[in-house]
Amino acid sequence: GAVVSQHPSRVICKSGTSVKIECRSLDFQATTMFWYRQFPKKSLMLMATSNEGSKATYEQGVEKDKFLINHASLTLSTLTVTSAHPEDSSFYICSARVPGRTTMNTEAFFGQGTRLTVV
Amino acid sequence: SQKIEQNSEALNIQEGKTATLTCNYTNYSPAYLQWYRQDPGRGPVFLLLIRENEKEKRKERLKVTFDTTLKQSLFHITASQPADSATYLCALGEGGKLIFGQGTELSVKP
Repeated sequence: GAVVSQHPSRVICKSGTSVKIECRSLDFQATTMFWYRQFPKKSLMLMATSNEGSKATYEQGVEKDKFLINHASLTLSTLTVTSAHPEDSSFYICSARVPGRTTMNTEAFFGQGTRLTVV
Repeated sequence: SQKIEQNSEALNIQEGKTATLTCNYTNYSPAYLQWYRQDPGRGPVFLLLIRENEKEKRKERLKVTFDTTLKQSLFHITASQPADSATYLCALGEGGKLIFGQGTELSVKP
């Protein structure tokens, strides 16, 4: 199956600093990756679609200057939370789809998630 | 706006019984409906996908039904085991761009 790896799994940072989260597709090339955010006992909320070689597409209400997304290669997308505040503390999860394979191009493969705590 | 609701936040059942989880949606005509399992502190793991022209789909002890008239999907786990304890999420959409329900936390007691 397709494997998506996310790093780090946990991070604690101070208010005002920036944090970068990496999402890698290990055994396939992902032209598109997705970033979600999840609060405790809540559903995953799509934040943005990361497109290789072009600008990310953000969902309504998500600040693009706050959550910087870069998809510089076919296997790596990064999410940088800038000037972090305690309210940015959450569980961030990336996912990718396998392009061009009929049996696999509709399910999503998720990373293991990153628990961000801003103190 | 599109909305997905899973009928209960938590479901407790005895080992060996069948767990039935419900997912209802509104303002949407999905071509696919998916079910995922999520363990605490982990990302979701894909379980089953059912298409709009399929009524039922099975995989081992899992069964999913899809009623596009009722706008509802039922997810069944037969002969449940404590290892099935997790949060189960239904999702609409295709590939990675998904709209998720809030999840049902299933607890299977021995």
